[in-house]
Amino acid sequence: AQSVTQLDSQVPVFEEAPVELRCNYSSSVSVYLFWYVQYPNQGLQLLLKYLSGSTLVKGINGFEAEFNKSQTSFHLRKPSVHISDTAEYFCAVSATMNSGGYQKVTFGTGTKLQVIP
Amino acid sequence: ETGVTQTPRHLVMGMTNKKSLKCEQHLGHNAMYWYKQSAKKPLELMFVYNFKEQTENNSVPSRFSPECPNSSHLFLHLHTLQPEDSALYLCASSQESWDTQYFGPGTRLTVL
Repeated sequence: AQSVTQLDSQVPVFEEAPVELRCNYSSSVSVYLFWYVQYPNQGLQLLLKYLSGSTLVKGINGFEAEFNKSQTSFHLRKPSVHISDTAEYFCAVSATMNSGGYQKVTFGTGTKLQVIP
Repeated sequence: ETGVTQTPRHLVMGMTNKKSLKCEQHLGHNAMYWYKQSAKKPLELMFVYNFKEQTENNSVPSRFSPECPNSSHLFLHLHTLQPEDSALYLCASSQESWDTQYFGPGTRLTVL
């Protein structure tokens, strides 16, 4: 079985400061990893994803994440946040299920990023 | 523009009403999903359809009944709901079950 842990439910940060949102996963097989963002009253949208290749992945809006297999982590980072980055961020992992052979995506519980002016 | 639309955006219903939520994707995807998002609770996967066949039902009460008439449309039929069913219901689609999911804006449901 696969699982995703986002330990921080809320992260306050001052505008123009750097931020890191943590994500750890557990899975017995190879995984694909995703970060999604949800703005108020909207659905989720993809920020970035890791499928293979370079472990440093760059996404939209200046965000990046690094896949660390040994630490089973996929932390999201931004060097300088803006007020418009205030939103909820979800980490997700995709792995092959033991039964059926198809892969499913499991979402974390989300981290609310609050950017303070 | 996410390519996934949901109607209605807001719905208020009594516990004895019957209503339906509609989701349509214009992306040519093969998989479609229903999620429930409640305040202070994790995103809950309800149903998954692959090529119009239901491949996952996460112990959802029978008062929620999904329907997938074709690969572009997904419905969630609601009847005799409870106040605790009030939540944001999100629809999503993906090309493959492992890949990026594209979400609609959701239907904010309030059960009185």
